[in-house]
Amino acid sequence: DSGVTQTPKHLITATGQRVTLRCSPRSGDLSVYWYQQSLDQGLQFLIHYYNGEERAKGNILERFSAQQFPDLHSELNLSSLELGDSALYFCASTKVQSGSYGYTFGSGTRLTVV
Amino acid sequence: TQLLEQSPQFLSIQEGENLTVYCNSSSVFSSLQWYRQEPGEGPVLLVTVVTGGEVKKLKRLTFQFGDARKDSSLHITAAQPGDTGLYLCAGARGGSNYKLTFGKGTLLTVNP
Repeated sequence: DSGVTQTPKHLITATGQRVTLRCSPRSGDLSVYWYQQSLDQGLQFLIHYYNGEERAKGNILERFSAQQFPDLHSELNLSSLELGDSALYFCASTKVQSGSYGYTFGSGTRLTVV
Repeated sequence: TQLLEQSPQFLSIQEGENLTVYCNSSSVFSSLQWYRQEPGEGPVLLVTVVTGGEVKKLKRLTFQFGDARKDSSLHITAAQPGDTGLYLCAGARGGSNYKLTFGKGTLLTVNP
């Protein structure tokens, strides 16, 4: 157990629907990062939050949004889902704003859009 | 174009063999990390290297950061079936070190 909790572990939904993925960072960590992992693209950075504030955006679609709450958990909202959104979604956490010393990853949410 | 290129993409070897996997880039990184990912799980950090030329050892695993901080290698001695997994390298770049850029990984299979 890495200390980073992601729910749900698996999610199957239909095209056009909206889902919410949840992440609780490791105790004491203030930063949350979201990544999407697919077979062809590998791990792609989506967005970074630090202590409730958005710090950086990567390759995140406009249909996707995220937030970090006062208790530091984070949610990734995916809407108007398409078949191509099927992937593993990981969150990771760190104590500081930098990823230079390594992330602690959760075990991921596998999203299947049918 | 992938910022971090890992090779080989796939590697299947017998237990007891040695192997080296590579992570190359044309960019300079302030630090570079190696992770191992098993099916159904998130990547787990193995090591972080920050100084050009740095060598770190973790039991049978040896990690090296290139002198110019553009590349890295992971050498495994006497591989075991428990070493099976996806090995990912990830780099942090000075001005944007809040995020890591990942290579696509090397999928290693060690057969008993």
